Parts: sequence; C-alpha cells; structure tokens
Amino acid sequence: NAGVTQTPKFQVLKTGQSMTLQCAQDMNHNSMYWYRQDPGMGLRLIYYSASEGTTDKGEVPNGYNVSRLNKREFSLRLESAAPSQTSVYFCASSEVWGWRLREQFFGPGTRLTVL
Amino acid sequence: TQLLEQSPQFLSIQEGENLTVYCNSSSVFSSLQWYRQEPGEGPVLLVTVVTGGEVKKLKRLTFQFGDARKDSSLHITAAQPGDTGLYLCAGVFNQAGTALIFGKGTTLSVSS
Repeated sequence: NAGVTQTPKFQVLKTGQSMTLQCAQDMNHNSMYWYRQDPGMGLRLIYYSASEGTTDKGEVPNGYNVSRLNKREFSLRLESAAPSQTSVYFCASSEVWGWRLREQFFGPGTRLTVL
Repeated sequence: TQLLEQSPQFLSIQEGENLTVYCNSSSVFSSLQWYRQEPGEGPVLLVTVVTGGEVKKLKRLTFQFGDARKDSSLHITAAQPGDTGLYLCAGVFNQAGTALIFGKGTTLSVSS
C-alpha cells in the first residue's frame, strides 16, 4: 500500500499561473482533505470531501477549487496563483468524517513557491 | 473562528529530560488528536482522546484530556533525540464534526 500520494513534490509558479495538485489514496477511505501549512500557522484546512461526490469549504478556501474525481482521487486547483499561496500543501484521507475524529493519513506534501 | 492554542511554541532540551506540551481552547472539544511531524514529511497520528479525564500512554508519551474537554497535554519522559519533531494537536468542536482545527504546533529539539 502506498497510502496517500501527492504530485508534484515541488513546484515553482509565476503570479497568475494556474496548476492542479493531485492526490490519491489506496486505503478505500471515504473522506479526503487538503491543508496548507505555513511557518508559525500550523495546518489550516482548505477544502474537504466527506464522501465521494461531496466537497465543502474549510477554514481558508479563497483562491482554490477542488474536485473529488472518484473515491481515490481529490485534486486541488489554483486558478490564478498569488505569492500568498506559497506554502506546503498536504493531502490527507480518513475512513469516515464525523465528530469522533478518525485517524487522518497524510501525504508527503507539495512545496509550492509562487514568485 | 475557534482558537486552539499550543504552548510552548519551541522547546529545546537535553536527552533524558522530561517535558510537557499543552493544547488549550475556550471551547469544548468533541474529540482531540495529537500528531507528530518530522521535517519534509506529513503528520502521523499519535493518539485520539474522546472522554474527559482520559489518560493514554504510548511508551514514554503520556496524553491527558482535561475533565472539561477544553484542554489536553502531552508529557514525554526521558526525552530522546528521536523525539525531535513538530507536535500538533487537532480538535473537533462540534457534533457534526465540521469544525476541525489544528494548533500551530510545538517544535521540539532533543540534543544528545
């Protein structure tokens, strides 16, 4: 089992460019998440998908869009990148979404720099 | 926005010392998790606590959930260099499970 995989691992963009971050999990999990991690800010939830076919905004959704392509894949799109979106992006998955926090399994991250 | 505070932000200690990291909020957690993250990697779950007053042990790590479910602590006994990393707490604040918040983390450095 690969767990949660993310591509690319590193990316440099110019302001205004677009790109899609890919995420896939092979654990048959229902819920998937996108976070960003900035120095001194911890992890902040961008979007999540509680189950296949649904997506919802998290704490910091502005400037991003997501697609739950199927049960395995959850992509994050930056339509017009801005320097403020320079960050490390983590994808995660869990068995289910609910008030009893399930273990979240994280990918290795994508390090994005926007110039 | 719910605020989940972790302290201290940074901790640098010698091998063999004991330490405690805190996670606090003014709101009640439905449940809370502690994660550990090493440089260049994603966080890995250490423990989940659900019941007020709950204490869980993981080798030299002891996790405590406050009686009122507003705070939690992580205590490490006889720290080792392998404990070095970023420790994050994450809490859910409502029954629907839609308010998931991570703390900013505590960076621990253990030198030999």
